Amino acid sequence: DAKTTQPNSMESNEEEPVHLPCNHSTISGTDYIHWYRQLPSQGPEYVIHGLTSNVNNRMASLAIAEDRKSSTLILHRATLRDAAVYYCILRDDWSNDMRFGAGTRLTVKP
Amino acid sequence: EPEVTQTPSHQVTQMGQEVILRCVPISNHLYFYWYRQILGQKVEFLVSFYNNEISEKSEIFDDQFSVERPDGSNFTLKIRSTKLEDSAMYFCASRGTEQFFGPGTRLTVL
Repeated sequence: DAKTTQPNSMESNEEEPVHLPCNHSTISGTDYIHWYRQLPSQGPEYVIHGLTSNVNNRMASLAIAEDRKSSTLILHRATLRDAAVYYCILRDDWSNDMRFGAGTRLTVKP
Repeated sequence: EPEVTQTPSHQVTQMGQEVILRCVPISNHLYFYWYRQILGQKVEFLVSFYNNEISEKSEIFDDQFSVERPDGSNFTLKIRSTKLEDSAMYFCASRGTEQFFGPGTRLTVL
């Protein structure tokens, strides 16, 4: 899997939008961009994924740069429950594993 | 909503004993995985399983580890002779169009 770079930590205020960046300058044409998060004492949880176009779901939005070398996970209104470690992971659709990095630890302040 | 389940939630064992961790993947998924997370560290890939055989494994997955899908619904991870350093959270995952993780089994080796 290609490498991703994320900030170690970020802070947000409750009810405000959060933009979590991810750099993946060595992404290949067949790599999908996946975002997972891990709440305290829980297993990783799927958030969203995309290939080239921006994606929206009930949890978040994913904005993918035109050159695909970076992406941003957008939480539109952070809640205290969104405090977690967020992982940006690249995976070729043919690859059978998913490799986690250190992720970004998001703190949400009331 | 379908989910991956794991049992037990917590397993305590003596060093050198065998343990079996159990998982029930989502029923129409075809790919199955085990990951582990040592306390305070990142999630690490152990093994993937497809069509009743291992498709990929990491360097962590040595001869002490084995996986099995004994009855078409359960997916198990066996550690033959546990070591202190095997103490970790073990997460099962299954994949259809996206990969979903179970809540984990906390293994404590004394």
